[in-house]
Amino acid sequence: DGGITQSPKYLFRKEGQNVTLSCEQNLNHDAMYWYRQDPGQGLRLIYYSQIVNDFQKGDIAEGYSVSREKKESFPLTVTSAQKNPTAFYLCASSIFGTSGRAIYNEQFFGPGTRLTVL
Amino acid sequence: SQQGEEDPQALSIQEGENATMNCSYKTSINNLQWYRQNSGRGLVHLILIRSNEREKHSGRLRVTLDTSKKSSSLLITASRAADTASYFCATDAWGGGADGLTFGKGTHLIIQP
Repeated sequence: DGGITQSPKYLFRKEGQNVTLSCEQNLNHDAMYWYRQDPGQGLRLIYYSQIVNDFQKGDIAEGYSVSREKKESFPLTVTSAQKNPTAFYLCASSIFGTSGRAIYNEQFFGPGTRLTVL
Repeated sequence: SQQGEEDPQALSIQEGENATMNCSYKTSINNLQWYRQNSGRGLVHLILIRSNEREKHSGRLRVTLDTSKKSSSLLITASRAADTASYFCATDAWGGGADGLTFGKGTHLIIQP
């Protein structure tokens, strides 16, 4: 089955610790994304990557880091510098196709990781 | 800042009724998408409408786009209990490339049996 997976589903972290959230896709998508969702809120973009070995900061990158060593994988590290890390984290991927002059960017989401800082 | 704003924030209707949600945005877009999120889960893509399209249908879903008013609406006809979820609009800004979508805060839809 093709899809995008995230692990773990739930993660608990002590203050001052770094933690890494996993995101893997077998959809052969070039672009991958990390979003953060707080209760009752929409999604905010943390980092994105359009191609292997390249990634860009999103709107709220401070306190986070990523890597893109393989097309299938885009892990997110929540560092101790992130002051309020408790949130629901969503990973997505897209094929980022073009049709004529139009660009489309339908995204496929993983099931999410809920991170709680103790 | 978030581009899309959904309205209403919450909506509760009886099963079988139609549900309408609205989305407004601020800047020029390439396309607008609607997603559904069940509680505690990831988002599922419902429908994409391009900036040169005015209306699109997919099963019980109907989406309209008015670029002059910078607004879109999602209509779910003959609602079912399984439609209970949060619905988000997301915009892909013109020329923005693969740099992520900008999401609104969502409309929480509850279908009463």
